[in-house]
Amino acid sequence: ETGVTQTPRHLVMGMTNKKSLKCEQHLGHNAMYWYKQSAKKPLELMFVYNFKEQTENNSVPSRFSPECPNSSHLFLHLHTLQPEDSALYLCASSQAGMRQPQHFGDGTRLSIL
Amino acid sequence: SQELEQSPQSLIVQEGKNLTINCTSSKTLYGLYWYKQKYGEGLIFLMMLQKGGEEKSHEKITAKLDEKKQQSSLHITASQPSHAGIYLCGADSNQAGTALIFGKGTTLSVSS
Repeated sequence: ETGVTQTPRHLVMGMTNKKSLKCEQHLGHNAMYWYKQSAKKPLELMFVYNFKEQTENNSVPSRFSPECPNSSHLFLHLHTLQPEDSALYLCASSQAGMRQPQHFGDGTRLSIL
Repeated sequence: SQELEQSPQSLIVQEGKNLTINCTSSKTLYGLYWYKQKYGEGLIFLMMLQKGGEEKSHEKITAKLDEKKQQSSLHITASQPSHAGIYLCGADSNQAGTALIFGKGTTLSVSS
């Protein structure tokens, strides 16, 4: 139990569907992150939120749309995804500021048909 | 852009043996983090190193940071089956320490 909960754990969707991934942290952190983990590749940082404000977008395609309504919740809205978007999507949280370790959820395994 | 290279990519050790995993950065290291991941699950934070020469231990796992070599090592003493998993190193991608980059990971198997 890391204090970061992601739902759903598994998601299968067609390329024309719209779905959302949810992340909730119970650690009192104020920074939240989305990562993508594909086979044989390093973890890729997608988005960073500090105090609900997006501070980093790592050239992520617009078919991925993040939302951070408060410091405890983070969403990733998905629409018209491509097969290459199939991956493990990980959410993390930390205290905002320098050199703070990030704590990860168990991820959502996404498969695009 | 900065890259982290981990070696070896994978290893199999007999239970009770010691092992070392290395993480080398292509640029200056400001902060170095070690994580463990079980397949298909999230990352578990192990340790953070910030200063050259720093060494930290947790149970049978020791990590060191060699700032001059831009390298960190993770050493496991007397490995156990519970140590099996994927070990990833992460580093601050900027001096502000607000974003991490990761290596590809080292897969460790421990045979009993």
